[in-house]
Amino acid sequence: GAGVSQSPSNKVTEKGKDVELRCDPISGHTALYWYRQSLGQGLEFLIYFQGNSAPDKSGLPSDRFSAERTGGSVSTLTIQRTQQEDSAVYLCASSAGQNEKLFFGSGTQLSVL
Amino acid sequence: GQSLEQPSEVTAVEGAIVQINCTYQTSGFYGLSWYQQHDGGAPTFLSYNALDGLEETGRFSSFLSRSDSYGYLLLQELQMKDSASYFCAVRPWGYSTLTFGKGTMLLVSP
Repeated sequence: GAGVSQSPSNKVTEKGKDVELRCDPISGHTALYWYRQSLGQGLEFLIYFQGNSAPDKSGLPSDRFSAERTGGSVSTLTIQRTQQEDSAVYLCASSAGQNEKLFFGSGTQLSVL
Repeated sequence: GQSLEQPSEVTAVEGAIVQINCTYQTSGFYGLSWYQQHDGGAPTFLSYNALDGLEETGRFSSFLSRSDSYGYLLLQELQMKDSASYFCAVRPWGYSTLTFGKGTMLLVSP
């Protein structure tokens, strides 16, 4: 695609429910990143993929968070048993290899009620 | 660890010049990057300084001084559309990911 695509753009869920967030990176980009942004805050790193493997998942805040990437393309971030503190914008980015120029999607606004 | 400090907010008027500073505490990194994010939008890459000195891209310039642990983004001939948040970021040595500052909200008024 022309850019990084994320879906859904907005997700409202109830506390305790599971959610899945999807990211379609730019075609051919081998590196994929998930970040989280709370209101008025910076970007908090969650997990990094190179191809289908995740060499750095140090930013995942708890074992309720997991992510996978298949076919070197689409990635899914899953949050189990959501909590109110999980409410944030979840941003996905991709890059052509390991470099500083990341291309971000518009994010998924997650609201946990 | 890595820590980047930016002012939380900067205000300026159209046509003016504004400088957004970024100071950091990190043992070593590949370079300093800047990203722009409009409200509700995706962060977009603006510039990257691998070496000390000034990099110019149109109205925007970015500067890095490793000896001073300091960098800045300079925006000239400000326009209303420049109102956005600006983030500095570094990729520390040995890491594959960018660490971002908390961002500076730039408000441009007529």
